[in-house]
Amino acid sequence: EPEVTQTPSHQVTQMGQEVILRCVPISNHLYFYWYRQILGQKVEFLVSFYNNEISEKSEIFDDQFSVERPDGSNFTLKIRSTKLEDSAMYFCASSEIGQAYYEQYFGPGTRLTVT
Amino acid sequence: DAKTTQPPSMDCAEGRAANLPCNHSTISGNEYVYWYRQIHSQGPQYIIHGLKNNETNEMASLIITEDRKSSTLILPHATLRDTAVYYCIVRVNTNAGKSTFGDGTTLTVKP
Repeated sequence: EPEVTQTPSHQVTQMGQEVILRCVPISNHLYFYWYRQILGQKVEFLVSFYNNEISEKSEIFDDQFSVERPDGSNFTLKIRSTKLEDSAMYFCASSEIGQAYYEQYFGPGTRLTVT
Repeated sequence: DAKTTQPPSMDCAEGRAANLPCNHSTISGNEYVYWYRQIHSQGPQYIIHGLKNNETNEMASLIITEDRKSSTLILPHATLRDTAVYYCIVRVNTNAGKSTFGDGTTLTVKP
């Protein structure tokens, strides 16, 4: 069964450093999302992306965050200057277009630890 | 998106049916009910969704009341691997529709 993959599974970085989290969505999916989950808290929506544009973003997704689809398979989330409070699990998701319903498939997540 | 209310936790005996309730009294006519679960710290996993009719798939059944103000997810024969946090989400059925996760129900299946 096709699945969303994410790399790395765990990233440790120092405060102020830039990080790039990578995702490979399911191959025929055209809508992409990033969510995050701070330890012990809810899963929070960050951004949705379609046709090389951001469709919607939350107030969490400020100027420190950016997303990109650099090629036909990868979807990335960049955090320019990480803060301690960026420590969280980051989940990528994708969904297929043109279906009768819009099930979002989630990846296994990247655990980001900012020290 | 309409707000949902779920009990914080439930227990179920292995092999028995698990019935997880969800209230969504402010649901609007074009909003669907989706259920996801999250096992430990893994990515959320889609279970089932519905608009107004009851639905069944290989994982679960979804019962939606006639007024659509509440629903119940049924796992017919719960196993230990069904221990997870279950989220009831109400959203418009479009690709751009983000999923707004609440606190969910922590289901513990006991031997």
